[in-house]
Amino acid sequence: NAGVTQTPKFQVLKTGQSMTLQCAQDMNHEYMSWYRQDPGMGLRLIHYSVGAGITDQGEVPNGYNVSRSTTEDFPLRLLSAAPSQTSVYFCASSPLLVQETQYFGPGTRLLVL
Amino acid sequence: RKEVEQDPGPFNVPEGATVAFNCTYSNSASQSFFWYRQDCRKEPKLLMSVYSSGNEDGRFTAQLNRASQYISLLIRDSKLSDSATYLCVVNGGANNLFFGTGTRLTVIP
Repeated sequence: NAGVTQTPKFQVLKTGQSMTLQCAQDMNHEYMSWYRQDPGMGLRLIHYSVGAGITDQGEVPNGYNVSRSTTEDFPLRLLSAAPSQTSVYFCASSPLLVQETQYFGPGTRLLVL
Repeated sequence: RKEVEQDPGPFNVPEGATVAFNCTYSNSASQSFFWYRQDCRKEPKLLMSVYSSGNEDGRFTAQLNRASQYISLLIRDSKLSDSATYLCVVNGGANNLFFGTGTRLTVIP
């Protein structure tokens, strides 16, 4: 099993550009989520999904969209990048409940100029 | 008020020392508690879940105090490989988790 994979590992964007951060898991997990991690702050939940076709907002959803067309994939879209979105983004998955162990991907480092 | 608060450290301890971290949480209805470990520029990984009765895994002991709304992590006989940031995690509802900012530990030879 590859676990949770994320691409790209690094990305530089200009303000106003859009892009999609990819996340995939091969563990047949129902629950998937996206977090951002900023210095001096804990990981903050952006969006999550409890199964294919179901998504919901987390703590900091503004400026991001998600979709869950398959169990395996959970892409995060930045609609119009802003410098405030410079961060490290982690995707995570767990079998069903958030209370279970979260398996994190290696992260995507994003710089918005 | 933050959902989860931790002392950011850093804690610098010699090899073999015992070190303890505390974490407080604000939601008295929280039911699930965890400690995650995050190495520099890596993803967080589960260290251990925290149960009401307290639990131990080798050199690591986690305890929960619901009355005072804090959880603790004790590391005995610290190793160089224990150097990392330790994240306190508490569930905030059915489908989300709240992460502390992390406590940074450096074990010195």
